[in-house]
Amino acid sequence: GAVVSQHPSRVICKSGTSVKIECRSLDFQATTMFWYRQFPKQSLMLMATSNEGSKATYEQGVEKDKFLINHASLTLSTLTVTSAHPEDSSFYICSAPSGKGSEQFFGPGTRLTVL
Amino acid sequence: AQSVTQLGSHVSVSEGALVLLRCNYSSSVPPYLFWYVQYPNQGLQLLLKYTTGATLVKGINGFEAEFKKSETSFHLTKPSAHMSDAAEYFCAVSDQAGTALIFGKGTTLSVSS
Repeated sequence: GAVVSQHPSRVICKSGTSVKIECRSLDFQATTMFWYRQFPKQSLMLMATSNEGSKATYEQGVEKDKFLINHASLTLSTLTVTSAHPEDSSFYICSAPSGKGSEQFFGPGTRLTVL
Repeated sequence: AQSVTQLGSHVSVSEGALVLLRCNYSSSVPPYLFWYVQYPNQGLQLLLKYTTGATLVKGINGFEAEFKKSETSFHLTKPSAHMSDAAEYFCAVSDQAGTALIFGKGTTLSVSS
């Protein structure tokens, strides 16, 4: 089946630095990818929709200047957390529609810890 | 707007007992409904989904769910719990293929021996 990968799986950074997270569709093309955030013991909340060749669409309350999204190709979307702070520590998960019906494929997630 | 409500943030069962995890949704259009399982520090694994057709959906690991439009429910069941079923379970909804999913708050399933 289709696979979505994320890199890195885990990252620890100092407050004020920027962190880039990659989301790749490995054997299919994805013109759209979704980025979710999951705080401990909570559900997944949609942050933004990444669109290949156009600007990302952000959900209400998500700062677009802080969470930069670039959909560089049909298989790669990146999320950059700029000037990260401890409150940005979370589990970030991406997903991509398979293009075949309703199936979506989720990446394994990236655990971000900001010290 | 769509929403998902999972009743019971924590469900505990004995090994071999019936598992019932509740999910109710709201949607202005016929929904696509999903159940995912998440093990600690891992991503999501699709258990089953409902799009159209048969309302009783069978998934992996012996799980099944029934779409009941009149009750706006999509409860997840398994006849006999196994220790390996202990995990976090999320119900999700979308209004059309290829769109983002709206997740419920999740239910933690504990299985005791």
